[in-house]
Parts: sequence; C-alpha cells; structure tokens
Amino acid sequence: EVQLVESGGGLVQPGGSLRLSCAASEFIPSTYWWNWVRQAPGKGLEWVANIKQDGSEKYHPDSVKGRFTISRDSAKNSVYLQMNSLRAEDTAVYYCASGDGWRFDFWGQGTLVTVSA
Amino acid sequence: DIVMTQSPDSLAVSLGERATINCKSTQSVLSSSNNKNYLAWFQQKPGQPPKLLIYWASARESGVPDRFSGRGSGTDFTLTISSLQAEDVAVYYCQQYYGAPLTFGGGTKVEIK
Repeated sequence: EVQLVESGGGLVQPGGSLRLSCAASEFIPSTYWWNWVRQAPGKGLEWVANIKQDGSEKYHPDSVKGRFTISRDSAKNSVYLQMNSLRAEDTAVYYCASGDGWRFDFWGQGTLVTVSA
Repeated sequence: DIVMTQSPDSLAVSLGERATINCKSTQSVLSSSNNKNYLAWFQQKPGQPPKLLIYWASARESGVPDRFSGRGSGTDFTLTISSLQAEDVAVYYCQQYYGAPLTFGGGTKVEIK
C-alpha cells in the first residue's frame, strides 16, 4: 500500500507563507490525482486543491484560489502546496491524499498549520 | 457547488445493533456516461486521517468489514453498519467526487449507547 508523508507545517503569522510537501513511498499511477484536504480543529473536512499526476490539470476551490497553489514533482514522487497570504481561518491539519481519478483512496497522517500572531 | 448534507449529526447505537447514516446531495452525482455514482464514505477516528470505506456509493474498499454497506443513487445515499462493534466508534463522512469543488458532508458521530 502506498504511504504518504506530509511535512512543512508549523506556526506562521497572519499574512505569511508556508510550503507543504507530501512524498509517496512508491510511484503513483498516471490515472491518479494528488489532493490536499484540510481539517480545522474540531471541524469537518475541506478539499483545498488537486492536481493530475502529469500536472496537466489542477483545481482549487474559491476559498483558497489566488492564495494557494498546488504543484508536483513526478521525479520525486511528491506534491506541494504553496500557501500565501495566510489567515487565522487557514489553521488546520493539512492532509495529502491520492486515488484513482478524483477519489481519496489513501491519506497521509497530516501536518498541522497554525496561523497566529 | 454540490452541497452534501448528512443526517443525523450524531447517533448512539447499542453494540450489535444497526446504525444508518444518511447523505443527500444538492444535485445528482450519477454519471450518465458510466452509470456510476461518484459518492464515497470515510471513517475517521480521533487523531487519525480519514479512511476510505466505500466508493462508487456501494463498492467496499479492500479490507473493510462486510458489516459496512453503502446504498443509494442520484442524490440520496446511506451508509449502514449492520452490527455495531466497539471499534466502529468514529465520525463518518460522505463525499462527492463528481465535480469540483470536491465536497464533504458535515460528518456523523457514531457512539455506543
């Protein structure tokens, strides 16, 4: 089973930037997509970005469009989330997930992002 | 956007009894091209990431006990735990992957009565 490991979380001030990384333990098939999903403390799940394995398509919801950008490095079997202009409401555990098409078949353990002065 | 609404918000069931969770979408997630419902169910235990239980509305993920089953089509779906076990205490989410933005239901907390 593919293992996903996230890194890059931490404490950042409002208006700051952070880059999250997610590495897969083995090659992700070409039909799979990479995703980032977040969960604010005590709250539900919110999808924040996805990208096709070949990088040809990517999507972000309006809540983060223009501030967050997903990218991937197929040679490193990794995906990234560049987060700019961070707000308090972006505080959450950020999970990397992947699956066939737009499914979330497997997930990482998550990395905590805290936006606070 | 497709809004997913789950009910109830929480559910207390005796061990060995049936638990049923409902999920409704604001538009159909059934594809006319392949006749599949783009609907998944996840289980999340405290301090853990979500775990895929069901996809295509009724297909059980490998390794998931057969007491978990999913049904429904179009806009109305259910997740049933036929005989609740102690290890099933968790929050359950439905999710549509029919179109962007991908959206989740608000979650249903299942506890032991």
